[in-house]
Amino acid sequence: NAGVTQTPKFQVLKTGQSMTLQCAQDMNHEYMSWYRQDPGMGLRLIHYSVGAGITDQGEVPNGYNVSRSTTEDFPLRLLSAAPSQTSVYFCASSYMDPGRAFFGQGTRLTVV
Amino acid sequence: AQSVTQLGSHVSVSEGALVLLRCNYSSSVPPYLFWYVQYPNQGLQLLLKYTTGATLVKGINGFEAEFKKSETSFHLTKPSAHMSDAAEYFCAVSPTGNQFYFGTGTSLTVIP
Repeated sequence: NAGVTQTPKFQVLKTGQSMTLQCAQDMNHEYMSWYRQDPGMGLRLIHYSVGAGITDQGEVPNGYNVSRSTTEDFPLRLLSAAPSQTSVYFCASSYMDPGRAFFGQGTRLTVV
Repeated sequence: AQSVTQLGSHVSVSEGALVLLRCNYSSSVPPYLFWYVQYPNQGLQLLLKYTTGATLVKGINGFEAEFKKSETSFHLTKPSAHMSDAAEYFCAVSPTGNQFYFGTGTSLTVIP
C-alpha cells in the first residue's frame, strides 16, 4: 500500500513546453484533487474529481487540464508552461470519511 | 463562498509554552473544518477535523481545536510545545469534506 504517489518529484521546464504531472493512489478512493502551494498563499485547489470520468474546476484552473479515466490515476497537464506556474504541486485523495485526505509528497516545478 | 483567514504567518513559542494558532472562516453552509500540518519537504498530514457533534475536537500529538460558530473560529491549541511541533500549520474549510479551501498557513517555531 503505497498511498498517493506523485511523479516526478522535481521538474524544470522552459516557457511554452508541455508536461504531465502524474498522480496515482492505491486506496480505491473516489475523490482526487490537485493543489498548488505558493509562498504566502497556502494551497489552492486547481481541479478535482469525484470519480472516474468526472472532473471539475477548483479555484485556479486556468492553464491546467485533468482527466480521470481510472479510479487510481489523476494526471495534471500543463499545456503551455508559464513562469507563473512555478510552484509545488500536491495531489490528494480521499474516500467518503470527511477530511481524511491523503496527500502525495509533492512535485516541485520550475518554469524558466 | 468559502474562505479561511489565519492570523499570524509566523508564531514563535518557547518549549513547554502554550501553542495557540488562530483560524477564522467564512462559509455559506455549515462547514467541515480541519487543521493540517506540513513538515519540511513533505505533504500534509491531518491533525484534526470537525464535522458534526462535539465542538471541542482532539487530534494527534496533543493538539485540540474548538469550533465556535458564533465567532466563526476554529483555533488550534496545545498546552505544552515540543521541539518536534515546529512545522507549517494550515487551517482548511470544506463544504463537502473532500475539496479543501486552505488558509495561508502559520509557521510555528519552537525555541529551546
